[in-house]
Amino acid sequence: EAQLVESGGGLVQTGWSLRLSCAASGFTFNDYAMHWVRQAPGKGLEWVSGISWNSGSIRYADSVRGRFIISRDNAKNSLYLQMNFLSGEDTALYYCAKDTNSLEMASPFDSWGQGTLVTVSS
Amino acid sequence: SYVLTQPPSVSVAPGQTARIACGENNIGTKSVHWYQQRPGQAPVLVIYFDSDRPSGIPERFSGSNSGNTATLTISRVDAGDEADYYCQVWDSSSDHVIFGGGTKLTVL
Repeated sequence: EAQLVESGGGLVQTGWSLRLSCAASGFTFNDYAMHWVRQAPGKGLEWVSGISWNSGSIRYADSVRGRFIISRDNAKNSLYLQMNFLSGEDTALYYCAKDTNSLEMASPFDSWGQGTLVTVSS
Repeated sequence: SYVLTQPPSVSVAPGQTARIACGENNIGTKSVHWYQQRPGQAPVLVIYFDSDRPSGIPERFSGSNSGNTATLTISRVDAGDEADYYCQVWDSSSDHVIFGGGTKLTVL
């Protein structure tokens, strides 16, 4: 059974940076695309970014493009999200999610972590 | 940009059938996935590629997609089905994953 554990969240000030990590286990990590999805308090799900199995294809939501960088280390079974120039609109619970395909296209997400909370204060 | 429209809330009595819509122009040409999110928990995939059901998801959950509306149907609803439900598609024109705004299902 796939397990995803996010870490790295916390309270930061506007303009600061933060790096999230997601440790994967229970499946062959380098066979699947991975994603970050966030959920602001009391709000719905918002896709943030996706990365293909070999990092050859990367996509970002318009709201984070140019500020966030997604990456993965298949040797360490880990997914990352480098978040720069944070603002209050980035305050959310950030989920790591496993795709069912190797490319981040039209496939569903069949495993999710429990999330790590990022709070941006002014 | 592609926007998926869901009703904010749906209410149904126990034992009845709940139908949750996800609308957008020509959504029938896309593959739709559905997630259940219970309070304080991570989302769980309940329907994928319009109408397929992951292992472990009850047969009471079904999906359809045609024209401008995709629908998640939950038969014989019970209190354990109370949750937020989200539809999801891939928008090839923007290369983005899109989630609907979510629907809160209340079991009366």
